[in-house]
Amino acid sequence: QKEVEQDPGPLSVPEGAIVSLNCTYSNSAFQYFMWYRQYSRKGPELLMYTYSSGNKEDGRFTAQVDKSSKYISLFIRDSQPSDSATYLCAMSRRDDKIIFGKGTRLHILP
Amino acid sequence: SAVISQKPSRDICQRGTSLTIQCQVDSQVTMMFWYRQQPGQSLTLIATANQGSEATYESGFVIDKFPISRPNLTFSTLTVSNMSPEDSSIYLCSVLEGYGNQPQHFGDGTRLSIL
Repeated sequence: QKEVEQDPGPLSVPEGAIVSLNCTYSNSAFQYFMWYRQYSRKGPELLMYTYSSGNKEDGRFTAQVDKSSKYISLFIRDSQPSDSATYLCAMSRRDDKIIFGKGTRLHILP
Repeated sequence: SAVISQKPSRDICQRGTSLTIQCQVDSQVTMMFWYRQQPGQSLTLIATANQGSEATYESGFVIDKFPISRPNLTFSTLTVSNMSPEDSSIYLCSVLEGYGNQPQHFGDGTRLSIL
């Protein structure tokens, strides 16, 4: 079983819809959880960074961590065509390297 | 957050040659890392670039193939040596700005193709 599983997509949704992106993981020792957005020909850009379980909101983005289920989510409200990108989930233990998912390609249809 | 510049942004190289990738940060950072991103694969950590000492390599990556330098707190290089088509990939530099458990920030990468 891979440490981090992420559906590669592509995921296509109409503009204005709520997008749900998810990752599962196997290592219960992970404490730090991240979401990065990567546009074509660009590097990953940090979107959300959370510690342990719970929710974190930043504008149209909400990150959710459920450690009991080993499941993390990123919700995008009022999705825009500019949100079309690849979204990478990532996680780590304290003072350890980051483990990334393979990324989900998202297309927002105008 | 710090501005990270990578050079070159892309290159096409011949088999058997070597290429050095530069990573320049506009402010001092505590840690610098080098990653490889292959199509359909997760970002994979190659090594941690240590200032003034040898880099710390991850399993599957060796210094002879990927020599790394970090002469100061704002600059690092990664060399891909004796390249083969399997080395065609995106190579990314990332940095950690503070201490403790902080997120990493990435440059835009170097897209490398080997003929």
